[in-house]
Amino acid sequence: DAGVIQSPRHEVTEMGQEVTLRCKPISGHDYLFWYRQTMMRGLELLIYFNNNVPIDDSGMPEDRFSAKMPNASFSTLKIQPSEPRDSAVYFCASSFSGRTSGNTIYFGEGSWLTVV
Amino acid sequence: SQKIEQNSEALNIQEGKTATLTCNYTNYSPAYLQWYRQDPGRGPVFLLLIRENEKEKRKERLKVTFDTTLKQSLFHITASQPADSATYLCALDSTGGSYIPTFGRGTSLIVHP
Repeated sequence: DAGVIQSPRHEVTEMGQEVTLRCKPISGHDYLFWYRQTMMRGLELLIYFNNNVPIDDSGMPEDRFSAKMPNASFSTLKIQPSEPRDSAVYFCASSFSGRTSGNTIYFGEGSWLTVV
Repeated sequence: SQKIEQNSEALNIQEGKTATLTCNYTNYSPAYLQWYRQDPGRGPVFLLLIRENEKEKRKERLKVTFDTTLKQSLFHITASQPADSATYLCALDSTGGSYIPTFGRGTSLIVHP
């Protein structure tokens, strides 16, 4: 399997623009996560889906952030309008709940977002 | 409130020595604890999982201990190599047995040749 695939890898955008980050999870995984990583706050969970259904979005910082998972092989994280403080690395990750010994998370390589 | 604490200062050691990283937690009752490795510009990669009823787990040069009384896990890399230089993150499930781990901020390890 190719692993979790994210796009774009790097994005530089102007404040106020819409940003859409994309993710293809590992086939067969039933959980999908969106994380944000910054030096100040570390790795934060924004939202996660189980079987394409959003379960917990309490980590989404504000209404400017939204996430969708229209099918098992695709998810998006959208920021509209973007602000400089949104600059961070955004990771998509997936996992399979069938493991009896805990939930190993498989991360993508991240989308590096810079809002100027 | 729940906290996962990892040393924010980088750990510098000489090649060949054993590196020991610490993960402390408060207000958790985790069913398991995981360790991940993150290289610059890359996503975290799973290394090891240890369950609450396990005291120790080994994988090649890696050893993890889990003390639920002390609320602490230690992560050891024996015979360390410069290629082991990375940031190491621990992760706990937020409620016992859940599928949603919460991550610590990680400790940077630098192995000098």
